[in-house]
Amino acid sequence: DAKTTQPPSMDCAEGRAANLPCNHSTISGNEYVYWYRQIHSQGPQYIIHGLKNNETNEMASLIITEDRKSSTLILPHATLRDTAVYYCIVRVAGGNQGGKLIFGQGTELSVKP
Amino acid sequence: GAVVSQHPSRVICKSGTSVKIECRSLDFQATTMFWYRQFPKQSLMLMATSNEGSKATYEQGVEKDKFLINHASLTLSTLTVTSAHPEDSSFYICSARVVQGEAFFGQGTRLTVV
Repeated sequence: DAKTTQPPSMDCAEGRAANLPCNHSTISGNEYVYWYRQIHSQGPQYIIHGLKNNETNEMASLIITEDRKSSTLILPHATLRDTAVYYCIVRVAGGNQGGKLIFGQGTELSVKP
Repeated sequence: GAVVSQHPSRVICKSGTSVKIECRSLDFQATTMFWYRQFPKQSLMLMATSNEGSKATYEQGVEKDKFLINHASLTLSTLTVTSAHPEDSSFYICSARVVQGEAFFGQGTRLTVV
């Protein structure tokens, strides 16, 4: 499985954009980059995913570098409710176990007033 | 997004007893379900993968006789912690997905073994 590297923690001011980086230098060509977040004592919440093009939805934007070795999750206007641990995951593709999500340590984002 | 429901959300049991946790996909059929365990201040650790109608595949180091997984239908998977001990106390989380789709997670079950 490709592994990801994320900073352990980040702070962001409320109302500002939060940019969360992720390195996945060993990603394979058919593996997607997924982002989830986990608010304390809850199950993870899906945010966004992409293969090689930039993606945007109502929650966030995902910027993937051209070589696909890194990506950035952007929360355009962070709120206090965005305080959570954010996980960048490269999804294993194929087979009966295809798509299992292996979680790394994630980035603990603290949004401050 | 799709809804995955886990029950119970909290359970306290005596050492040596067994506990069953249910995971249901409420508005979609899940071809694959995953079970995770999370200790305080740690990340989620994948325990096993189950496909409807077949035996679960356990990750290395996870005792299949202790953590029994049944995936009897496309909307229900169960995890039974047998002969639970205090070291099994943890946050257990299930996840369900359709083929090539994103995975959705339950709200988790806090198990405390006393």
